[in-house]
Amino acid sequence: RKEVEQDPGPFNVPEGATVAFNCTYSNSASQSFFWYRQDCRKEPKLLMSVYSSGNEDGRFTAQLNRASQYISLLIRDSKLSDSATYLCVVNMPSADYKLSFGAGTTVTVRA
Amino acid sequence: EPEVTQTPSHQVTQMGQEVILRCVPISNHLYFYWYRQILGQKVEFLVSFYNNEISEKSEIFDDQFSVERPDGSNFTLKIRSTKLEDSAMYFCASNHGQGVTDTQYFGPGTRLTVL
Repeated sequence: RKEVEQDPGPFNVPEGATVAFNCTYSNSASQSFFWYRQDCRKEPKLLMSVYSSGNEDGRFTAQLNRASQYISLLIRDSKLSDSATYLCVVNMPSADYKLSFGAGTTVTVRA
Repeated sequence: EPEVTQTPSHQVTQMGQEVILRCVPISNHLYFYWYRQILGQKVEFLVSFYNNEISEKSEIFDDQFSVERPDGSNFTLKIRSTKLEDSAMYFCASNHGQGVTDTQYFGPGTRLTVL
């Protein structure tokens, strides 16, 4: 079983739409969770950390369900600039905080 | 804002040659990492480095790979004898090590092409 699994998409949505997608992780001892954004052939950049209570950052809302071991990201009022690959990232239980990445969900926002 | 830097941005080499990829982590960070991403695939952990030694390494990080922190600022990844399948983006990352929620910051990557 993969450590982190994501729906690859692509999600093709019009500007202003809401888009949501999930990921699941296999290691129940994982302690911290993130969404990173990756633009084509660029480095991953932190979008937001994900907390147990759920958290919001502007148009982005992340949820964590530890019992079901899944994480979600919702983007409201999509902008053209939101077009990217969104990486679900889990901090593996280890002493050195290494990260395990999902393969990414591609979102394309069209005018 | 401090950032992780990497050089070169693109390296082309012949199969069997040695390459050294260089990184300058953020100055007050304590943990350093190399990840790689083969085109079209996910980002994969290679190795972590703390207190001047390897903390953990993946199955990918075999005897052909080594890391070094030769001075107080640089962090290098060496591939001794490159193979075609080593062609990938290599990302360096660092974090302060303040806990599991600490952010890892990634450099812009080095694109390695092995011919």
